[in-house]
Amino acid sequence: QQPVQSPQAVILREGEDAVINCSSSKALYSVHWYRQKHGEAPVFLMILLKGGEQKGHDKISASFNEKKQQSSLYLTASQLSYSGTYFCGTRSNDYKLSFGAGTTVTVRA
Amino acid sequence: GAVVSQHPSWVICKSGTSVKIECRSLDFQATTMFWYRQFPKQSLMLMATSNEGSKATYEQGVEKDKFLINHASLTLSTLTVTSAHPEDSSFYICSARAPGSGGTEKLFFGSGTQLSVL
Repeated sequence: QQPVQSPQAVILREGEDAVINCSSSKALYSVHWYRQKHGEAPVFLMILLKGGEQKGHDKISASFNEKKQQSSLYLTASQLSYSGTYFCGTRSNDYKLSFGAGTTVTVRA
Repeated sequence: GAVVSQHPSWVICKSGTSVKIECRSLDFQATTMFWYRQFPKQSLMLMATSNEGSKATYEQGVEKDKFLINHASLTLSTLTVTSAHPEDSSFYICSARAPGSGGTEKLFFGSGTQLSVL
């Protein structure tokens, strides 16, 4: 079952912040975040495992609340290069990743 | 990071023909590869899980006789779209699971294949 992502789209000016949420109805083993530019393959950003961990990648960070079966991706001081579609992938105990519908982020100068 | 090569990048074919797409992990062995399909502005939909040396596992609703998957080696999986029709036109992406433990396995994606069936 696909996780639910919100919002569907967000438009930012350079330097602004944004949060993308991902929630699942199933118990999660891990959450994966990817970014896809138009016409390209998705690129791995980070994995979060059970234990409520947080991670950072440059000024992009994420948190995972396994009890709530939710993860959030934080874009801080956004740059033009952050534009793209962000997908969360959730993994339960069957080793398969199910992807959300994606959140399109547009960062404008 | 690990590299996954997918070929061809795009293909145009006539209705009724078969198309083969290759997915190779270049610098690691991938016992498991995944095939996804993506329609414009939509998410990645898992089609099947390809396991080296055994039959692929297909997701519900995916015709295994239409989308033939072969994973003959630890670095190569192929997807053959048989008797392609216009409704099969889509962006197909493979991914390979890099080794890891405790849930840290990462997926690395190929560059995708845009299939257009006339």
